Order: sequence, then C-alpha cells, then structure tokens
Amino acid sequence: DIQMTQSPSSVSASVGDPVTITCRASQGIGDWLGWYQQKPGKAPRLLIYPASTLQSGVPSRFSGSRSGTYFTLTISSLQPDDFATYYCQQGADFPFTFGPGTRVDLK
Amino acid sequence: QVQLRESGPGLVKTSQTLSLTCNVSGASIRGGYYWTWIRQLPGKGLEWIGYISYTGSTYYNPSLTSRVTISVDTSKSQFSLALTSTTAADTAMYYCAHGPPGKKDAFHQWGQGALVTVSS
Repeated sequence: DIQMTQSPSSVSASVGDPVTITCRASQGIGDWLGWYQQKPGKAPRLLIYPASTLQSGVPSRFSGSRSGTYFTLTISSLQPDDFATYYCQQGADFPFTFGPGTRVDLK
Repeated sequence: QVQLRESGPGLVKTSQTLSLTCNVSGASIRGGYYWTWIRQLPGKGLEWIGYISYTGSTYYNPSLTSRVTISVDTSKSQFSLALTSTTAADTAMYYCAHGPPGKKDAFHQWGQGALVTVSS
C-alpha cells in the first residue's frame, strides 16, 4: 500500500495567518492527490483534486501544490470557518489511502 | 445534485455481519458513478473499503477483501455494504461516497455517516 504521511499533526494559528500542511507519499503518485476538510461530526469535504485543482465552491484562499512526492495545502489567510482537520488522500493506486490528518485549531 | 444517506443497525454483535445501505437520490445509480464505502475509526483516520461501479464491477481493500461485499439494488436506488466476522476493530463511522462520473479515485459527495459499534 502507498503510505501517506502528514505534517504537522496539528497547528495552532490565528485568523488571518497563512497555514501550510504537507503530505508525503511513500512512492510516486503523480498528481493523484486530494485534500479534504473535516469538521467535528461531519463528513469530509473534498477541497482539491488532483493536486492543485480547486473543487467548485472552494474559496480561493485554499491552494495545493506538488513537488515530487511532496504535496502542500496552503490556506493563504485563515478564516474562522477553516478550523478543522485536513486529510490528504492518494488516488493513484489501490487501495486508496489517506494521511493521518492535520488538525488546525485556534491559537 | 446527488445525495447519499446511510442506514443500518448502530450496534452489531461481535462475529456477526455488519450490514449498511446507502440510499442514492438525485441521480441514477447506473449513472456512471463508482459507489464507494469509506470508514473512520474512532478518533483516527480514514480507510477506503471499496466500491461497486456502474457496470457492477467491484474492488475491495485487500485488508478487508475476505470479509467485505458491496452490492447494488438498482430497483431501490441503493447500494450496500456487508462486512462479516466483525470484531471491535470494525467499530467506526461508515460513510458512503462517490466522485464525479467515471472517477473512482476521489470523493466529492459523501453521506452523513452511520456510526456502527461492534460489541459482544
């Protein structure tokens, strides 16, 4: 299986701060990487797939990029609605696998 | 827009079969989608279970393949998950999901989730 790791596991930030989350795949997955946002008690929401394509309705403060097997999710200016847990997921090979998540909370 | 809703028992006895159904509305269940099950273990991450495609083909996570079956009932616009020989380790929130038509590798629509506890 392709292992997905994320860093940091949690980040504390203030409204207006930029936030960057990194995801690394254990092997090459091309651009087949998605980012999800999950709030407590809710299902995940797909933000970006593939690596840098923003899904419809997702605010432009979210962006994604790739360098080799490293992927980043950037929130340019954190908003109150963005406090959540973020997961990456590879869609390159079966079984599809998710990262362990990064929690973004209020400093 | 496609809407998904999971249903099924919230409590399953150890060693018995976990059975969940996902009701699909807003689209034909034969409309080119890959109907997927994903679970989230308590306080932990997400695990892809598998899918059934619009052609009826299935693919399961190898870690579960000996115990899992995903099926579809087109007359009821539903697809289902059956997981046999359950243990406490199968206690999780179970989600049904799908991606855009023809795409199996990302999930832009999810149900609200069904919490299943496996206990003796």
